[in-house]
Amino acid sequence: KQEVTQIPAALSVPEGENLVLNCSFTDSAIYNLQWFRQDPGKGLTSLLLIQSSQREQTSGRLNASLDKSSGRSTLYIAASQPGDSATYLCAVSDRDSGYALNFGKGTSLLVTP
Amino acid sequence: NAGVTQTPKFRILKIGQSMTLQCTQDMNHNYMYWYRQDPGMGLKLIYYSVGAGITDKGEVPNGYNVSRSTTEDFPLRLELAAPSQTSVYFCASSPRLAPDVYNEQFFGPGTRLTVL
Repeated sequence: KQEVTQIPAALSVPEGENLVLNCSFTDSAIYNLQWFRQDPGKGLTSLLLIQSSQREQTSGRLNASLDKSSGRSTLYIAASQPGDSATYLCAVSDRDSGYALNFGKGTSLLVTP
Repeated sequence: NAGVTQTPKFRILKIGQSMTLQCTQDMNHNYMYWYRQDPGMGLKLIYYSVGAGITDKGEVPNGYNVSRSTTEDFPLRLELAAPSQTSVYFCASSPRLAPDVYNEQFFGPGTRLTVL
């Protein structure tokens, strides 16, 4: 069974810092990997999708990398802002269960002014 | 496009009651999913559907049922509600772009359910 782990569970940084969120998964036979943002009491917003054949994806200040062979992904946030404060979820899909996502528990990020 | 919509947003049930959580997507996506999220935990798959008329169980299906009579709708039925079903429920959909090519999942805003 796929297990997804996110480290750290919580992170507090001052505004302007660059930061890295980590995600690891136990079964490297994934189809794709998605990073989501979740604000308190809200739904999930998709940030980046990396197909298994890709190494990284970028969107604005966000960059996600994927090393499938080692079972790792990182989400890099450049020049963090207070508006980036949220929980970030990593999820991987495989061909089982209709390509459903297996989620980590998330990293809760607080960016202080 | 409205994307993925869910109703209701909030609901309180008494133990033993039943209800249906509604999910509709207007993107003509083949794949649809129901997840639940408990506090401090990742989302867990309840049921999924690969197309109209086809559904299958996920990791935590006990106490739930689904149907998929149309491409757009994927309702989740709770029978005999229990306190353990207190959770936030998310519906999601994903397009099949080509044989063996699937894209990202899009999520609805969720339904917050409390069973007392």
